[in-house]
Parts: sequence; structure tokens; C-alpha cells
Amino acid sequence: AQSVAQPEDQVNVAEGNPLTVKCTYSVSGNPYLFWYVQYPNRGLQFLLKYITGDNLVKGSYGFEAEFNKSQTSFHLKKPSALVSDSALYFCAVRDRRGQAGTALIFGKGTTLSVSS
Amino acid sequence: GAGVSQTPSNKVTEKGKYVELRCDPISGHTALYWYRQSLGQGPEFLIYFQGTGAADDSGLPNDRFFAVRPEGSVSTLKIQRTERGDSAVYLCASSMGRDNEQFFGPGTRLTVL
Repeated sequence: AQSVAQPEDQVNVAEGNPLTVKCTYSVSGNPYLFWYVQYPNRGLQFLLKYITGDNLVKGSYGFEAEFNKSQTSFHLKKPSALVSDSALYFCAVRDRRGQAGTALIFGKGTTLSVSS
Repeated sequence: GAGVSQTPSNKVTEKGKYVELRCDPISGHTALYWYRQSLGQGPEFLIYFQGTGAADDSGLPNDRFFAVRPEGSVSTLKIQRTERGDSAVYLCASSMGRDNEQFFGPGTRLTVL
């Protein structure tokens, strides 16, 4: 079955330190992978995507993600965390099995808390 | 430009009532999606429109749920005979096409008493 797993419910980092939010996936075929961020009482905001090409994908707000096919992972990273990065982060994979093959399957989310 | 908008932002209703939730996508986006997000969970897919037609409705939980997009822009999600288990945040998203990233609205929080 196609799925996405975010093994950490919460990640805590100090401001200025590097951060990593983990995501692993299980799909048949080549994955289309996404990261979204959700702030309180706001909709999900797109951060970045991997479709094909370079394994290191750069996105919004200084975030990047590394696609690792052998480890079936797509971890979100940022070299230097900001307090304003504190939010709920979702990893998603495109469900290519469906009738139109375009819906997203989301992980449960990881809460990132950056302390000053 | 304007993002995806959803109305109402909050809806409280009683068990057994009928509700309609509206989504106004980004202008020019042909693809429109509905998702449902329960507390502590990621969004779960409900239905996908390409233009006016429902291209994938495999996520609708049962026949109490129905959605339309008659002119290929605004969409309405309709829930009949609401149940307490329908309480969730209903998210709408749109994209330029099936291969493009989806842009989400702020959601409608539905509470069924």
C-alpha cells in the first residue's frame, strides 16, 4: 500500500541550529513527494516538491529536502532554524493508484518547536 | 493574487442536518480537491475535480457526501444527514493541473453536535 510515515510527533531545536524533520515513504514506481507547513488557524502552505532530477530540492523560506531512493526517505532540512519556523509540517506523496492518480497521501504531521 | 478561499470558516450544526461548504479556487486553476482533516491527523483525500467533472471521488466516505463544480470554478461540498463523526476541518485545494503542486485554503471547521 502507498503510504507516508513521519516517525516523530515533535522535533525541538534551538534557534540557529540545523533542523531535520523526517519522512519515509512506501510507493510503487517513482514517487512524487511534497512538504507542506501548517500554521495555527491557517491552511497548508506548499514548501517544496520532488518529481525527478536532483536529489536535493530547495524550497521556500530556506528549507530543502533530500530524496534518498535507497532509504525511501525525503527528510526536510534547514541549516539554521528560526523561531518563526515553529509550526506543523506534513510530508505527502502523490497517490498514483487512484482513479486519476493525483490525490495526495499525507503523513500524520510533525510539530516543530524552535526555542529562542 | 488571491489564494483559495473557503466559506464559512466555522460551521456548527446538529446531527441529522444538511450542510454546504464552499470553495473558491485560485483563478485559472482547473484542478480542485477536497480533503478532510481530523484532529491530530494529516488531511485525507475526498474528491478531485478536473474542470466541471469529478475525476476521482474514491475518497468520499459514503453516499451522504456529494460535491459539485458546475461551472469549473467554485465548488460546493454537500453533506446530508450529518453525524458527529463528520466533525473535522474540510480543506479545499486547487492547482493548475494534475502534475502541479496544490494550494490549500484555510479550511472550514465543521462541528456536528
